[in-house]
Amino acid sequence: GIQVEQSPPDLILQEGANSTLRCNFSDSVNNLQWFHQNPWGQLINLFYIPSGTKQNGRLSATTVATERYSLLYISSSQTTDSGVYFCAVSNSGYALNFGKGTSLLVTP
Amino acid sequence: NAGVTQTPKFQVLKTGQSMTLQCAQDMNHEYMSWYRQDPGMGLRLIHYSVGAGITDQGEVPNGYNVSRSTTEDFPLRLLSAAPSQTSVYFCASSYSKSTGYTFGSGTRLTVV
Repeated sequence: GIQVEQSPPDLILQEGANSTLRCNFSDSVNNLQWFHQNPWGQLINLFYIPSGTKQNGRLSATTVATERYSLLYISSSQTTDSGVYFCAVSNSGYALNFGKGTSLLVTP
Repeated sequence: NAGVTQTPKFQVLKTGQSMTLQCAQDMNHEYMSWYRQDPGMGLRLIHYSVGAGITDQGEVPNGYNVSRSTTEDFPLRLLSAAPSQTSVYFCASSYSKSTGYTFGSGTRLTVV
């Protein structure tokens, strides 16, 4: 299956700081999604972004499919942004392969 | 509109017991899938379905069965529980392969 590598594995930020999370994948994809897993374990879909750029409030994402990477930007981070961010990809459209995630802690 | 509902939220089984994890969605999503999440390993796909009557295996299908008799329901059956199946199980659904997934809240299973 497609290999997914996320970096950094861990990140600590002070409230108000900006950050960039990266997702590299080993093959062409037609489905790429970013998820946030909050400290209570709930998985929330942030973006469906197999290519291009999208923004939702303080979050934005860019996928450069030809170069096999995607970036998730978090601006003006808040403590509620803490949790694990997962990138997941597929080349069938359906069966997503997940990376191991970036664990983010935002401190007051 | 409840989204994706998983039951139970917690379960303890003895080795060798069988059980069914329930997953239901009320969004008329065609695609449903089951993942397990283990520490340090991300989420791994167990089984998936692209519509009623159609299922396929994912990365880690051994020890699990699924069926999809209706669009709404996608139960996961553990045939003979083993300690290696201790994990958190997530069900997910999507309208199509070009839309985002919606996850259930998970089932934490412990096999002793």
